[in-house]
Amino acid sequence: GAGVSQSPSNKVTEKGKDVELRCDPISGHTALYWYRQSLGQGLEFLIYFQGNSAPDKSGLPSDRFSAERTGGSVSTLTIQRTQQEDSAVYLCASSRSLDRTYEQYFGPGTRLTVT
Amino acid sequence: EDKVVQSPLSLVVHEGDTVTLNCSYEVTNFRSLLWYKQEKKAPTFLFMLTSSGIEKKSGRLSSILDKKELFSILNITATQTGDSAVYLCAVDVREEKLTFGTGTRLTIIP
Repeated sequence: GAGVSQSPSNKVTEKGKDVELRCDPISGHTALYWYRQSLGQGLEFLIYFQGNSAPDKSGLPSDRFSAERTGGSVSTLTIQRTQQEDSAVYLCASSRSLDRTYEQYFGPGTRLTVT
Repeated sequence: EDKVVQSPLSLVVHEGDTVTLNCSYEVTNFRSLLWYKQEKKAPTFLFMLTSSGIEKKSGRLSSILDKKELFSILNITATQTGDSAVYLCAVDVREEKLTFGTGTRLTIIP
């Protein structure tokens, strides 16, 4: 069956531009998670969705970051006015439900480079 | 603040060697500890550990958890070049959050 997909796989953008990253979770998975992995670092938790709701946005690094999920499926992570420190791999994961956080399936990630 | 620390940060061994990767943690609420293998970008799930002293095995990989000393180890025996990857340890601290360590980069030399 299809896994988690993300697009684009790579994105190079100029400092100050906005970018939108997309995640398509496994069908039927109600929980969706976004992580960021900077060079040489572990995965940094950003935000999660249960259905379309994101109750806790405190993991987002700044107010330039926002995320939404519509229809309980596809999610987009938007970074406004990108900065060089935003360069990282952004990973999305999904699980059947929040109480199955341990069964997260990861997408291939989007490598974002801000020049 | 929840913290997961992995060691060593990187390890280079020859094919056939046995390696032990370490993960220690300090978290406010422990639910389970997970190990992932990351080649390229997407981490793939290896093990979930919830109870102390019970070894989980999958082929040449095994892992064990010590909840008293707050650490876990991942062993790989008879290493192969395909084992080269970053190995991530994560702790499930609440329903919606995994806290990851920085990973151990393992390189197997043929």
